[in-house]
Amino acid sequence: DQQVKQNSPSLSVQEGRISILNCDYTNSMFDYFLWYKKYPAEGPTFLISISSIKDKNEDGRFTVFLNKSAKHLSLHIVPSQPGDSAVYFCAATKAAGNKLTFGGGTRVLVKP
Amino acid sequence: DTGVSQDPRHKITKRGQNVTFRCDPISEHNRLYWYRQTLGQGPEFLTYFQNEAQLEKSRLLSDRFSAERPKGSFSTLEIQRTEQGDSAMYLCASSYHWNTQYFGPGTRLTVL
Repeated sequence: DQQVKQNSPSLSVQEGRISILNCDYTNSMFDYFLWYKKYPAEGPTFLISISSIKDKNEDGRFTVFLNKSAKHLSLHIVPSQPGDSAVYFCAATKAAGNKLTFGGGTRVLVKP
Repeated sequence: DTGVSQDPRHKITKRGQNVTFRCDPISEHNRLYWYRQTLGQGPEFLTYFQNEAQLEKSRLLSDRFSAERPKGSFSTLEIQRTEQGDSAMYLCASSYHWNTQYFGPGTRLTVL
């Protein structure tokens, strides 16, 4: 059973516009969520995280929103830059520091 | 400040051979994780260590797989009698207690 899902396999956005990536989870025990970015032939790079006690966390161009009742989180990238073109993974865990459960990823292409 | 390193970066082997991968975590990190990623999927948890103790193993980790972290520093992941289905990217991550997991570049295994 897939406990973390990213239903959009790909996203194309114009440079300077907003990228919105979505993630849904089913396990109500998850209480810490992370987003990672991955370039080909490299390991995932941590972007931003959010605890279940918050509904928003912001870091520069990246903002993560959490809707616990809907079991949904999203990542906003504003403004999008060509260097943001990568695969983005949503991950969840039952407590910070435990094993991560990943979604299938969303490939983002930012067009100049 | 060096990140997580993994060796080798690429490994091609014939079916039935044994392979061993190494992971060196960030120096002060006491937790070390192994994940596996196949094409088009998100990383899947295999096992993790706190210091030298292996605390959890996924059911994905068949008896052909063994992981060690003998002195609580570097870790090795061995696959015996490799099968074509073992072809994947093997990712290592480390964290300091409950904090964010940081990933290495991965070892890409191809079993012919």
